[in-house]
Amino acid sequence: GESVGLHLPTLSVQEGDNSIINCAYSNSASDYFIWYKQESGKGPQFIIDIRSNMDKRQGQRVTVLLNKTVKHLSLQIAATQPGDSAVYFCAEGESNKLTFGGGTRVLVKP
Amino acid sequence: EAGVAQSPRYKIIEKRQSVAFWCNPISGHATLYWYQQILGQGPKLLIQFQNNGVVDDSQLPKDRFSAERLKGVDSTLKIQPAKLEDSAVYLCASSFRLGGSTDTQYFGPGTRLTVL
Repeated sequence: GESVGLHLPTLSVQEGDNSIINCAYSNSASDYFIWYKQESGKGPQFIIDIRSNMDKRQGQRVTVLLNKTVKHLSLQIAATQPGDSAVYFCAEGESNKLTFGGGTRVLVKP
Repeated sequence: EAGVAQSPRYKIIEKRQSVAFWCNPISGHATLYWYQQILGQGPKLLIQFQNNGVVDDSQLPKDRFSAERLKGVDSTLKIQPAKLEDSAVYLCASSFRLGGSTDTQYFGPGTRLTVL
């Protein structure tokens, strides 16, 4: 999604539910996509990545989906936990360089 | 495996002063990146090194920012003189590969700079 400065898009989710975070990218030549999680006061932490020759990749409790036709990327988190509360960034990559989106804040309600 | 190290973690300076940040990448990682992250936004690339050579510094404000990576390992980023709009978190990241296809970047904890 686009950056809105201090007012990040926020996703509120009940603990135990699944979360879906969406991201639109702009560069048709991007061949690599990655999701990061950033907690307050910390650097971005790698979650999962996917190359452009794939449309789905699964990790532990996370799945990334890539739709190149509409230039859309999504991150699905299964059974969301309080520790998943953070800001999530998508990034697109080309020639070993990343361009980041604006981020989505995920708040997990107990 | 040790992650990317950065210091200091916090720095407060007055405008027109100078400041320097240090980064030690993950051992064996050839590519090092400096990013600027303004509050509420995604990181923005400032400069990319492969070993000790600059690959991309197109978004580095070269009138006040400089960076070096002597010996292809540690790197320093300097701002001189600082402006109010330089208040941000400065992130260092590293990746294993030299070039070609994009590789996973691993980030350090960042240095939060406040310019008064």
